[in-house]
Amino acid sequence: NAGVMQNPRHLVRRRGQEARLRCSPMKGHSHVYWYRQLPEEGLKFMVYLQKENIIDESGMPKERFSAEFPKEGPSILRIQQVVRGDSAAYFCASSPGPDNQPQHFGDGTRLSIL
Amino acid sequence: DAKTTQPPSMDCAEGRAANLPCNHSTISGNEYVYWYRQIHSQGPQYIIHGLKNNETNEMASLIITEDRKSSTLILPHATLRDTAVYYCIVRPVGQGAQKLVFGQGTRLTINP
Repeated sequence: NAGVMQNPRHLVRRRGQEARLRCSPMKGHSHVYWYRQLPEEGLKFMVYLQKENIIDESGMPKERFSAEFPKEGPSILRIQQVVRGDSAAYFCASSPGPDNQPQHFGDGTRLSIL
Repeated sequence: DAKTTQPPSMDCAEGRAANLPCNHSTISGNEYVYWYRQIHSQGPQYIIHGLKNNETNEMASLIITEDRKSSTLILPHATLRDTAVYYCIVRPVGQGAQKLVFGQGTRLTINP
């Protein structure tokens, strides 16, 4: 999984706090995707972004979750007022374009809510 | 929801070929078959993908039946490091292509 960098690898938050997860795509990739993996479940698509644009956020919860991919810097997945149910592994993937090219994943951020 | 069916688990002896089946009987003509694997505590790793023809790369071979309703991922000489959950994914072209839909996959265990 070399190339897509996610940080932090582990994040602990108390209920009600904010969580910020960062993703730097592979060099040359301008398309970023976020997925969530709840304990003992498969990965679920959350959002697809290009630089400065959200293309598809159909998998994002309606409240408390937001994502951005600014012109400069990493993509950020932000979770406000976290609850216990937000505990999961959050994976970021990137690809060079929107066409049928493989998405390459980072090693994820494991979010634990106390 | 995922449009593929895979056995929940398989075992294979180290050094032997691991053959992982996948059924995708409702696949459309413009949909690709992708394979990823997830080793414990890591992110999914891309393995291979194909449309109609068989494909081979340094990791694996992908055999797609002529009617495209099923496929087999082949790891020619399995090692202990190939122990992982393997996901077969049908991916459309164009609208919706960006959402990879992961099912439960096959948990492959390579035994020494």
